[in-house]
Amino acid sequence: KAGVTQTPRYLIKTRGQQVTLSCSPISGHRSVSWYQQTPGQGLQFLFEYFSETQRNKGNFPGRFSGRQFSNSRSEMNVSTLELGDSALYLCASSLGQRGTQYFGPGTRLLVL
Amino acid sequence: GESVGLHLPTLSVQEGDNSIINCAYSNSASDYFIWYKQESGKGPQFIIDIRSNMDKRQGQRVTVLLNKTVKHLSLQIAATQPGDSAVYFCAENQTGRRALTFGSGTRLQVQP
Repeated sequence: KAGVTQTPRYLIKTRGQQVTLSCSPISGHRSVSWYQQTPGQGLQFLFEYFSETQRNKGNFPGRFSGRQFSNSRSEMNVSTLELGDSALYLCASSLGQRGTQYFGPGTRLLVL
Repeated sequence: GESVGLHLPTLSVQEGDNSIINCAYSNSASDYFIWYKQESGKGPQFIIDIRSNMDKRQGQRVTVLLNKTVKHLSLQIAATQPGDSAVYFCAENQTGRRALTFGSGTRLQVQP
């Protein structure tokens, strides 16, 4: 069974732009969570989607948003990019809301 | 590959030795704990998990120990191999909450 896939793998943007990242969960998984990883803050939870609804949200500004489609694929969007948004963005999927989370390879975002 | 933490504590072991990686958690309400392994350029890879109704769980070459009294978690890797070199994260979760809270990570270096 294929793992979690994320596209693109690398992205360079400039301040003020917006970006959309995509995540395809493991087949059959319905819950998708997003995390931000930086050297300074480590891994931090952004939000979780299940059945196309945001179920949980971390402590990030409203510039960070997401959505989930009926096939469980998810996108996250960051608007008005700031230098501090440079990070590895990780997507994790699980069967249900109580299942083990399996991570994708991440999207490395660099904001210049 | 990218750095997941510039000042991570590092554990250096000889190939064939046993490794013990420790983690302290703070939320006494956490009832699910997971160990992840992250290699350079990759997302976190699930290793083993344990629920709070257990104090020990064994996998292939790995054992997780949970001490709820002192809120401490450890990962033991038997006969450590060069392929075990990576950053190891513990994560905790509370039933009903989806967000994983990650530790800061430990870098394991295996010397041949």
